[in-house]
Amino acid sequence: GQNIDQPTEMTATEGAIVQINCTYQTSGFNGLFWYQQHAGEAPTFLSYNVLDGLEEKGRFSSFLSRSKGYSYLLLKELQMKDSASYLCAVTDSNYQLIWGAGTKLIIKP
Amino acid sequence: GAVVSQHPSRVICKSGTSVKIECRSLDFQATTMFWYRQFPKQSLMLMATSNEGSKATYEQGVEKDKFLINHASLTLSTLTVTSAHPEDSSFYICSASVRDYEQYFGPGTRLTVT
Repeated sequence: GQNIDQPTEMTATEGAIVQINCTYQTSGFNGLFWYQQHAGEAPTFLSYNVLDGLEEKGRFSSFLSRSKGYSYLLLKELQMKDSASYLCAVTDSNYQLIWGAGTKLIIKP
Repeated sequence: GAVVSQHPSRVICKSGTSVKIECRSLDFQATTMFWYRQFPKQSLMLMATSNEGSKATYEQGVEKDKFLINHASLTLSTLTVTSAHPEDSSFYICSASVRDYEQYFGPGTRLTVT
């Protein structure tokens, strides 16, 4: 079967750095997405990785290793507004999006 | 660019009635639109995928006679929840795709069935 694993919940301190991991087993791979979702709102796009390596975009970076079926989202200089759920999603060989359950990130002052 | 709207944002209806939710891509033509539902504290669950002018493809376990999807044009898809029941209360989110790897989400519609 197809599976995406990410931690259920993480806690971090304002100003710090946090890494949210995602591992996947899917039938084929055509890219991995990270989305941010605040409570009661729809997800918003953060990043897309299809090749191995690190993609940096401001305070957020996303890393992909296809051979390991592994990705992480790195958030630097955490702000209180970063408190949200972070969803990892993989596009399989049929271009279907397989979603992880999301990681709830709690930022403490 | 790539803005997707949904209407209404919130709707309360009585059990047994039908509710229509619209999803529009405002500044682009979407080759494919997707409908999701999300229960509290759970991840998105894909309900169906629709391409303009053709029948929607429903995910396993989703009743196509209950959740009617119409994709009338490249910028509009509608989801009609027929004979709604309290267990249909959920957050319904649509997304629109231009290329195979990008989806743009609407703001969601919160449906409450009393």
